[in-house]
Amino acid sequence: QTMVTQEPSFSVSPGGTVTLTCGLTSGSVSPSYYPSWYQQTPGQAPRTLIYTTNTRSSGVPDRFSGSILGNKAALTITGAQADDESDYYCGLYVGSGIWVFGGGTKLTVL
Amino acid sequence: EVQLVESGGGLSQPGGSLRLSCAASGFTVSSNYMSWVRQAPGKGLEWVSVLFSGYSTYYADSVKGRFTISRDNSKNTLFLQMSSLRAEDTAVYYCARGPVIATNYYFDYWGQGTLVTVSS
Repeated sequence: QTMVTQEPSFSVSPGGTVTLTCGLTSGSVSPSYYPSWYQQTPGQAPRTLIYTTNTRSSGVPDRFSGSILGNKAALTITGAQADDESDYYCGLYVGSGIWVFGGGTKLTVL
Repeated sequence: EVQLVESGGGLSQPGGSLRLSCAASGFTVSSNYMSWVRQAPGKGLEWVSVLFSGYSTYYADSVKGRFTISRDNSKNTLFLQMSSLRAEDTAVYYCARGPVIATNYYFDYWGQGTLVTVSS
């Protein structure tokens, strides 16, 4: 069964840069998995940040960027701000009508 | 403006049934694929099911055979019929829309969610 891995937690200083990753327990993440990234704050619905690896959703600041780094999808936040403190989830389309989400990364900005 | 409003959550006993609804506005549910995604308390997102515009349906293994996704085009509403409920089905259930370009395979709009609690 396909499982998606993410760092459970990460910390970044205000103004700093952080890269969160999204991998597979078996195999490599490639653009054919259509990686997407979602931001969620407590009690709120997810917000779509990035789709098809590196396309920013409407209204998302350009400090958020997506890429493939090695065998993983990556979300980079450049110039982190206090309100970037959230949970971040990656989603992969594994084919045959099935999606899988990672366990999420809790990002702390301090 | 695209809006998704879920309803129908509540308390069910183990083995019971619930039907969730997701009322859509600002677009036609039959034009996009639509999914349900759930989040157990304090846990991450879990994809549950999808209904493509051509009526193909797919389910996560954890709900296959117990949940049924459907839509009513006249009401512009997506449904999730849940039966044989288990404690581990306790979660906030989100309705999520696929994009206009269906082959981008992500979710561009999300509802606010409805809480389902399965407990005796």
